[in-house]
This record gives sequence, structure tokens and C-alpha cells, in this order.
Amino acid sequence: QLQLQESGSGLVKPSQTLSLTCAVSGGSISSGGYSWSWIRQPPGKGLEWIGYIYHSGSTYYNPSLKSRVTISVDRSKNQFSLKLSSVTAADTAVYYCARSGRGAFDYWGQGTLVTVSS
Amino acid sequence: QSALTQPASVSGSPGQSITISCTGTSSDVGSYNLVSWYQQHPGKAPKLMIYEGSKRPSGVSNRFSGSKSGNTASLTISGLQAEDEADYYCCSYAGSSTNVFGTGTKVTVL
Repeated sequence: QLQLQESGSGLVKPSQTLSLTCAVSGGSISSGGYSWSWIRQPPGKGLEWIGYIYHSGSTYYNPSLKSRVTISVDRSKNQFSLKLSSVTAADTAVYYCARSGRGAFDYWGQGTLVTVSS
Repeated sequence: QSALTQPASVSGSPGQSITISCTGTSSDVGSYNLVSWYQQHPGKAPKLMIYEGSKRPSGVSNRFSGSKSGNTASLTISGLQAEDEADYYCCSYAGSSTNVFGTGTKVTVL
């Protein structure tokens, strides 16, 4: 059974860079046909797709966040990562990692709350 | 890229059927058969309920069904049960390798 687990700093200061990692177990991140996504959800609000990466390293981002987002993959550790720069309070959210394919997100991590505050 | 539009809330009595709409544009919902639906209980990660518009993943009850007409996709829950009370989100492929979620619908079982 595929499992995903987010980890990283839960508190980030304004203007700094948010960094999260998603460890994948029970399957290989190099499996063909899938991409690996980041999705976030501000407290009490809806879901927002951030972007995804293929095992090849190709990345695709939400146009509204593209200038601040970097997603990378570490195949040797079977994990992928998210960096979001110049954060503000509006970036406070639960961040989820997920596996994606054919437009759907079928396996999700439990989510991790990141708070932007000084 | 604007969020897909869903009703804020839908309610129904146990055993009834309800339908949640998800309205997009000809650039997302209307152009691709790649709409998915997610169920989210409080404090939990979303769960995939429908993919490619109408397909159910293994283990998802056949009480959940999906359809699409034009720029609007729909999720129908038949035989409503107390456990169905949750938030539901649609998501569509939006071209250029991007995705967009819906605004979310709170389902209440009366």
C-alpha cells in the first residue's frame, strides 16, 4: 500500500522560504505514468493545486504561484520536495502531498500545517 | 485560472439522493473528461471518490456516481448515509498540465 508522509518546518517567518518534503513508501517514485503533487488548504478554506513533478524531473506549476514555487525530486531517497519563497500570512495552510495520474489524486499524505508568522 | 464553482452546501435526509454541481469553463471541465471528486471529513486528507468523470476507484461505494454535461460536472450520492456528511471538492484538468479545484460543498445529512 502506497503511503506518503509530509515533513518540514511548521512555522516560517514572513518573506522566508517554506520547505517541505514528502517521503513515499510502499512504491517507487520512479513508477511510470504518475506525477507527484503538492496541494494546500488554508484553514477553513478550499483546496488549491500547487504543482507536480514527474520522475523525470519535469515540473508544472499553478500559474498563480509559479514565480515562487520549486518542486524537486530525489529518486535515491524516494521523496520529493516543495519550496515556496517570499511567504506571507496568506500562505498559511495545511500542505498535502499526493500521487497524481490522469488528472486525479489517488494517494494523499496526512497533511502538515505550516504557519507563516513572525 | 479560476476555481470551479460549487454550491456552498447541499443537504438531504438519509436514504435520499443528492447532486453536487461543479461548473467550470470550456477551458477546463468542458474540454476534458478529467474531472475528479474528493470527499473530505474534518481534519482528514481528501479521499478520491470519482476520476475521469465517472469512474470509481476500488473500494468506493457504488452509491457515488459522476457525470458531465457541457461545462458542468456533477456528483450524485444515492441512498444518503450519515457517514456521507463531509466536504466534497471537484477538480478538473485545465490544460497546459495544470489542474483546478472547485470551491467545495458541505454535505449535511439531516
